[in-house]
Amino acid sequence: DAGVIQSPRHEVTEMGQEVTLRCKPISGHNSLFWYRQTMMRGLELLIYFNNNVPIDDSGMPEDRFSAKMPNASFSTLKIQPSEPRDSAVYFCASRPGANVLTFGAGSRLTVL
Amino acid sequence: AQSVTQPDIHITVSEGASLELRCNYSYGATPYLFWYVQSPGQGLQLLLKYFSGDTLVQGIKGFEAEFKRSQSSFNLRKPSVHWSDAAEYFCAVGRGSGGGADGLTFGKGTHLIIQP
Repeated sequence: DAGVIQSPRHEVTEMGQEVTLRCKPISGHNSLFWYRQTMMRGLELLIYFNNNVPIDDSGMPEDRFSAKMPNASFSTLKIQPSEPRDSAVYFCASRPGANVLTFGAGSRLTVL
Repeated sequence: AQSVTQPDIHITVSEGASLELRCNYSYGATPYLFWYVQSPGQGLQLLLKYFSGDTLVQGIKGFEAEFKRSQSSFNLRKPSVHWSDAAEYFCAVGRGSGGGADGLTFGKGTHLIIQP
């Protein structure tokens, strides 16, 4: 079991550019969550999917953020256009039917 | 809505000493509670969880936590810390009526420093 796989691990981009973060959940896990971690706000839930369907996106900060899960083994979080305040670590987590989340190693985003 | 409070932002403990990290939650029903640990540059690793039953739960790496409903607390303890325990510790409560079906709400974390 390779765990939850996120890419890229680090991304540095300039303001206004499009950023795409990727996540491969653990096989067999039917729920996927995107979190953002910042010093000021801690860990915030952005959006989550059950069986590839978005259930709650109320944590997505703005229309600049979008997330998709085209199949059970892949999800993306896109920011377009990016802004310096989007700089954070973005975590993907997946979960089987039980209530334990398994987290990926995170994608550290820096927007200059 | 659920919330989690970790009152201590930083805690410094000498190696070999005992540790207690505090966590208070706000939740209307029986909560699902978790402790995660995050080492620098890493993701979050589950230490232990409480769903029901025995209020003292054992986790990995020698950690334990006690659920106290009357105090709305779920404090994490370890009898003797090791330098490798230096990390960020997060308490979390399950969101939604399913006790976690909608994900977790995290506290702000406690940064644990180990003195030699």
